[in-house]
Amino acid sequence: GENVEQHPSTLSVQEGDSAVIKCTYSDSASNYFPWYKQELGKGPQLIIDIRSNVGEKKDQRIAVTLNKTAKHFSLHITETQPEDSAVYFCAAIRSGNQFYFGTGTSLTVIP
Amino acid sequence: DVKVTQSSRYLVKRTGEKVFLECVQDMDHENMFWYRQDPGLGLRLIYFSYDVKMKEKGDIPEGYSVSREKKERFSLILESASTNQTSMYLCASSWTSRGYTFGSGTRLTVV
Repeated sequence: GENVEQHPSTLSVQEGDSAVIKCTYSDSASNYFPWYKQELGKGPQLIIDIRSNVGEKKDQRIAVTLNKTAKHFSLHITETQPEDSAVYFCAAIRSGNQFYFGTGTSLTVIP
Repeated sequence: DVKVTQSSRYLVKRTGEKVFLECVQDMDHENMFWYRQDPGLGLRLIYFSYDVKMKEKGDIPEGYSVSREKKERFSLILESASTNQTSMYLCASSWTSRGYTFGSGTRLTVV
């Protein structure tokens, strides 16, 4: 099966700075990589995703990059704001339906 | 927007009770999943289902069972609740090879 590792487990940044969260995966056949944001007391919500035929995808202040050769992908948040504080999960999927999740990164944006 | 509704936000049950956690989705998704979330352990898959009356064991099925009698409803059953099943339970649904939509979660405490 797939194994997804996520780093760091906790991250604190000053408001306005950038935050980067990295994930590695083990199965080279994985082809879809979503990122989820979980705010306190809520379920995870999809914030951005990337497929294996694309190297980078951006949506306003968030971006995801994928390096298939090295089997890692990263979430980049620029100009961080206090409302970006949450737990972020990466995931990988090969074919079929089951995602493999990283263990999460708790991001704190300090005003 | 797809909605995944979990019937209870908070539950307190006694050891040995049979517990039902209900999940309903409104977008005709084929796939439904139950995860538990514990600090430091991330999201762990309990059971999933690709179709009505179908079920597959995830990574930690012991002590749990599921029921999917209708496409929109996926129930998680704790046959005899124990204190080590105190956790946050998350239901999710998806189309094949697409991102999950999560419910808001049920925080279960077994006393």
